[in-house]
Amino acid sequence: NAGVTQTPKFRVLKTGQSMTLLCAQDMNHEYMYWYRQDPGMGLRLIHYSVGEGTTAKGEVPDGYNVSRLKKQNFLLGLESAAPSQTSVYFCASSYPGAGANVLTFGAGSRLTVL
Amino acid sequence: KNQVEQSPQSLIILEGKNCTLQCNYTVSPFSNLRWYKQDTGRGPVSLTIMTFSENTKSNGRYTATLDADTKQSSLHITASQLSDSASYICVVSYILTGGGNKLTFGTGTQLKVEL
Repeated sequence: NAGVTQTPKFRVLKTGQSMTLLCAQDMNHEYMYWYRQDPGMGLRLIHYSVGEGTTAKGEVPDGYNVSRLKKQNFLLGLESAAPSQTSVYFCASSYPGAGANVLTFGAGSRLTVL
Repeated sequence: KNQVEQSPQSLIILEGKNCTLQCNYTVSPFSNLRWYKQDTGRGPVSLTIMTFSENTKSNGRYTATLDADTKQSSLHITASQLSDSASYICVVSYILTGGGNKLTFGTGTQLKVEL
């Protein structure tokens, strides 16, 4: 049982380049989330999805787009990367309702924007 | 503003010793509080959850306490092991006015256990 899998694990981009981070979960969770983790700050929610075909903005959505075409996958896109987007990105998933705060996290994707 | 503050920021202890990590929150209305352990280079993993009515909950060598009146929680680790070296993150869930929950993450306490 893989849980939550993120790809790639590491990536280096130049300013202005685009890329997509892929998150896949095999637990049949309805909810999926993308967070970023920066030194000295708590995890911050970028975007989330409460079901296939639906997405919503979190705390820090600017510069990112997401898509949830299939229930098991949640994609995070950067259209024009900026150095401020250098961070570690975590995908998470959960059940809805009372289980919505029991998150299962992926291992993280470390992104560096030069 | 809903906030979660953890202390200390970092801690070094010798193997076999006990330690206590603190979490203070201003989140309201409170739903529950969860402690996560994050190993270096990994995603956070849930240790325990505390609801409004619970004062103490144990999970092996980990014991979490909650005082909902003072809005404080602590995580006590007994007989520490090298594998306890990690960041411990306090996460508080609060109820949105339109329904659903929102999570607020603390910045974590970095624990290092040494021989």
